[in-house]
Amino acid sequence: DAKTTQPNSMESNEEEPVHLPCNHSTISGTDYIHWYRQLPSQGPEYVIHGLTSNVNNRMASLAIAEDRKSSTLILHRATLRDAAVYYCILSRSDRGSTLGRLYFGRGTQLTVWP
Amino acid sequence: NAGVTQTPKFRVLKTGQSMTLLCAQDMNHEYMYWYRQDPGMGLRLIHYSVGEGTTAKGEVPDGYNVSRLKKQNFLLGLESAAPSQTSVYFCASRRNTYNEQFFGPGTRLTVL
Repeated sequence: DAKTTQPNSMESNEEEPVHLPCNHSTISGTDYIHWYRQLPSQGPEYVIHGLTSNVNNRMASLAIAEDRKSSTLILHRATLRDAAVYYCILSRSDRGSTLGRLYFGRGTQLTVWP
Repeated sequence: NAGVTQTPKFRVLKTGQSMTLLCAQDMNHEYMYWYRQDPGMGLRLIHYSVGEGTTAKGEVPDGYNVSRLKKQNFLLGLESAAPSQTSVYFCASRRNTYNEQFFGPGTRLTVL
């Protein structure tokens, strides 16, 4: 299964934009790019996902490179509540052996300073 | 909707004891998953199910068994607990392979 590479940690100040990068050079055509985050002592929470086009929702934006080998999660105005571990995950959408499983790496620990 | 719920929230077992973790979802999702998370690590898949009556092994299935007798419930069993199974266990469900997974709040298990 295709793997992703993320920085171990990033920092931001409150109310500033945050760009969280993810490299996935071995991505296949049927892989969706998913982002989840995990707040302390909680289960992972879905943030956003996309296939080829950039995506926006109420939580964040996802910018996908034209060759799909990298993507960036954008938090437009970081708040203290956004401090979490952010996971970039490739999820195969076909009904093959992976069956939509999510493979979690160590993610990026985002620290937000007041 | 309650989403995904897990029972119990905390449990302490002695080596060799058995227990069952219950996961329930009220979203009529076909896919359900059990993960474990160890300190400083990402989640690892234990077992999963693609529908009522079906189960399959994930990355780390040894020492665990699962059952999905009803669509809304996914049970994870430890027949003979070992200290290496001390972890936080998360259950998740998903409508299909395109959409997001919804996670439960987790069960913190300690095996002494």
